[in-house]
Amino acid sequence: DIVMTQTPLSLPVTPGEPASISCTSSQSLVDSDDGNTYLDWYLQKPGQSPQLLIYTLSYRASGVPDRFSGSGSGSEYTLKISRVEAEDVGVYYCMQRLDFPITFGQGTRLEIK
Amino acid sequence: ELQLVESGGDLVKPGGSLRLSCSASGFIFSDNIMNWVRQVPGRRPEWVSAINGRSTHMYYADSVKGRFTISRDNAKNSLYLQMNSLRAEDSAVYYCAKDLTFWGQGTLVTVSS
Repeated sequence: DIVMTQTPLSLPVTPGEPASISCTSSQSLVDSDDGNTYLDWYLQKPGQSPQLLIYTLSYRASGVPDRFSGSGSGSEYTLKISRVEAEDVGVYYCMQRLDFPITFGQGTRLEIK
Repeated sequence: ELQLVESGGDLVKPGGSLRLSCSASGFIFSDNIMNWVRQVPGRRPEWVSAINGRSTHMYYADSVKGRFTISRDNAKNSLYLQMNSLRAEDSAVYYCAKDLTFWGQGTLVTVSS
């Protein structure tokens, strides 16, 4: 199974400041057939189901503000929030869907200072 | 509007069975891979199973293989998860997810004597 590891596990951020979450995978998530990197990012707000933020490494899902961006290469990936807002609180998860079983990182809890 | 509504969650004794359902609307159901993902509150999501549009390919996590069966009825826009030989560690909120891009609100399964 592909193991996904996130850091940090807790992230206190002042509103208006940037934030960054890292995710590493135990193997490359690049599909050898199409060259895509099958790494997605989700945000689970309190009391809600996870919602897709970023798919296939760097594509923002519909309705996601442009302050969210995804990047990475090899086995290291990053989610960046350019300016954190109060509504961004929750737990962020990276997920790989290159191969079954689909696996998730442990989650990073973002809180507002 | 996309909508996924899960049902069928309940309290069941170890060794018992349960059938979860997911009713879909707002998209062409038969065109999409559907998934079941579960989550123990406070822990990362765990992917459980997936089925393609024509029901020709089904995939399972090792933890449920041989005990759970995923199925779908495209005429009814519905996804199912038959869960047999339930264990305490199967207790979780179960979500259905369209292509893992959109998730329902979940249904709670509790396995306890």
